[in-house]
Formats: sequence, C-alpha cells, structure tokens
Amino acid sequence: TAGITQAPTSQILAAGRSMTLRCTQDMRHNAMYWYRQDLGLGLRLIHYSNTAGTTGKGEVPDGYSVSRANTDDFPLTLASAVPSQTSVYFCASSPQGYAGYTFGSGTRLTVV
Amino acid sequence: GIQVEQSPPDLILQEGANSTLRCNFSDSVNNLQWFHQNPWGQLINLFYIPSGTKQNGRLSATTVATERYSLLYISSSQTTDSGVYFCAVYRDDKIIFGKGTRLHILP
Repeated sequence: TAGITQAPTSQILAAGRSMTLRCTQDMRHNAMYWYRQDLGLGLRLIHYSNTAGTTGKGEVPDGYSVSRANTDDFPLTLASAVPSQTSVYFCASSPQGYAGYTFGSGTRLTVV
Repeated sequence: GIQVEQSPPDLILQEGANSTLRCNFSDSVNNLQWFHQNPWGQLINLFYIPSGTKQNGRLSATTVATERYSLLYISSSQTTDSGVYFCAVYRDDKIIFGKGTRLHILP
C-alpha cells in the first residue's frame, strides 16, 4: 500500500543519546515535513523540505536536524536528546506545495 | 508568523447532534485543510478547501478566505466522529496547524 512509513513506532531513549527517526514515502511527493504533537499544543512544524536537496526550519527546529538526500527519505535526527523532546512525531508529505497532504502513523518518543 | 486559532477547544455532544467548528487565521493563506485525528492517533484528510464550500457525506466545510476563517460542519454526529479536528493553513512554504477542537460524541 502506497503511503508514508515511519520507524520506529515507539522508542524510549536515555537523555544525552542520539537518535534518528526514519520517514520514507513511496508516492514521489516533492514536499516532506516533520511535526511534533504535544498535549494542548497541537502539531508544531519542526523542519520541512520542499524538494530533494533542500530543507527549511519550522516553528520548533532547535535540537533537531534533517536531511533530504533523495525524494523518498526524510530522516529526523536528535543529536543529544532531552526530556522536553518527549513527544509524538509525525512525518507528512505532499506532491507539490500544499495539496494531497498525507501523514505517517507517528513515532512515540520518550526521553528519560 | 501566521496564527491559527480554532474554537471551541472542546465540545461534547450527544449522538445525532450537529456541530460547527471554526478556524480563524491571522493573515492571507494559499490553502487550508481540515484533518481528523481519531482516538488511535491517525491523522486523516477531510477537506482541502482554500475557498468555497465542499461536502462529503455528513461533513461539509466552508472557507471565506477574504475574512480569514473556515468552518467545518458535522451533521447527525456519530460516536465514530469523536477525536480531534485540526485545520492547517499553507503559507510561505510552511503548513501551520491550529491546536485543534476535541470532539466527544456520547452514545
């Protein structure tokens, strides 16, 4: 089934450790996004990429980095995790600009 | 940056009731979309509606871009409509979400 795959589904991570959340789409969408969802705060944009080779900062980029080496993959890296990064992370993609927006199933990350 | 405000934050209704959810945005936007997040956390597209009115079964949406708001109507609510409803706007290569309206439909 075409769509977005996120991995892992959930993870418990020790503070100070690094981790990469994976996101892969098979729809050949140009744009990809990372959001975090926290209770009472909705979804906040972390980083985005309008096309392979380009990335941009969203509302809450600090402590996160991304890369977009190809169209399909958009990994999110936490270089040194902190407890405030405990959240549910969603990856999304759209074909061009903003149309046909599709979400992955999310990664639940707990930093202890 | 652009602000997206949704109201009400919470809504509890009896099954069969109708409801209207509102999304206000602080500046002009290129596009707007409504999503439903079900109790299992899955985010589902409902409407892509930069302007005008669209209907899909018991749900419909209207966006008045010149007045910077959008409305989502749910008629004859069912328990499966429970969850959080988000609007999201697109501007400057970014998609910004409101904080959502949490809807509880009681059987």
